[in-house]
Amino acid sequence: GQSLEQPSEVTAVEGAIVQINCTYQTSGFYGLSWYQQHDGGAPTFLSYNALDGLEETGRFSSFLSRSDSYGYLLLQELQMKDSASYFCAVKRTGANNLFFGTGTRLTVIP
Amino acid sequence: NAGVTQTPKFRVLKTGQSMTLLCAQDMNHEYMYWYRQDPGMGLRLIHYSVGEGTTAKGEVPDGYNVSRLKKQNFLLGLESAAPSQTSVYFCASDDRAGTGELFFGEGSRLTVL
Repeated sequence: GQSLEQPSEVTAVEGAIVQINCTYQTSGFYGLSWYQQHDGGAPTFLSYNALDGLEETGRFSSFLSRSDSYGYLLLQELQMKDSASYFCAVKRTGANNLFFGTGTRLTVIP
Repeated sequence: NAGVTQTPKFRVLKTGQSMTLLCAQDMNHEYMYWYRQDPGMGLRLIHYSVGEGTTAKGEVPDGYNVSRLKKQNFLLGLESAAPSQTSVYFCASDDRAGTGELFFGEGSRLTVL
């Protein structure tokens, strides 16, 4: 079987840093992706880690450790507009599709 | 740029009725997908296609059928709608670049009474 586990909810203060974790159980995969989804909107791609380590894109960074079966999304200098749901996803080895976690709802408060 | 377009955006059905959701993409992508999203359950794959004329089952295919007669279009059909199919449906496409990026449509909200 396979699973991607994320915290269901996270709350953080505007201007702060927040980390959203994703732990997984899967036999093999090509990489770990992260998506953002605002209420009523479509998921939008944020980042992709094919290799272990940190990938940085502006205020957002994503990390992958295959040996620990673990990844995270780091959001810095939080803004109110960052309030959204965040999903991790993997493309399993030999598969043609992404498998998504259940998502983390981030609420940014003033 | 249109990207991925879904129609209709909203629909209310009665149990037993049939309908088709249309997804169109103008990015010349080979791969297309239909996901459903329910509260607390993330995105679950219904069916997908790796090219014109091909389809394959995903995690939750029961009660749905799909067709990919043209590369740019991917249709999702419900032959006999059930209340359990009340959900938000998302179409997505993939350019096979290996970047883990899917391009999503805006979603279709379906309610089955």
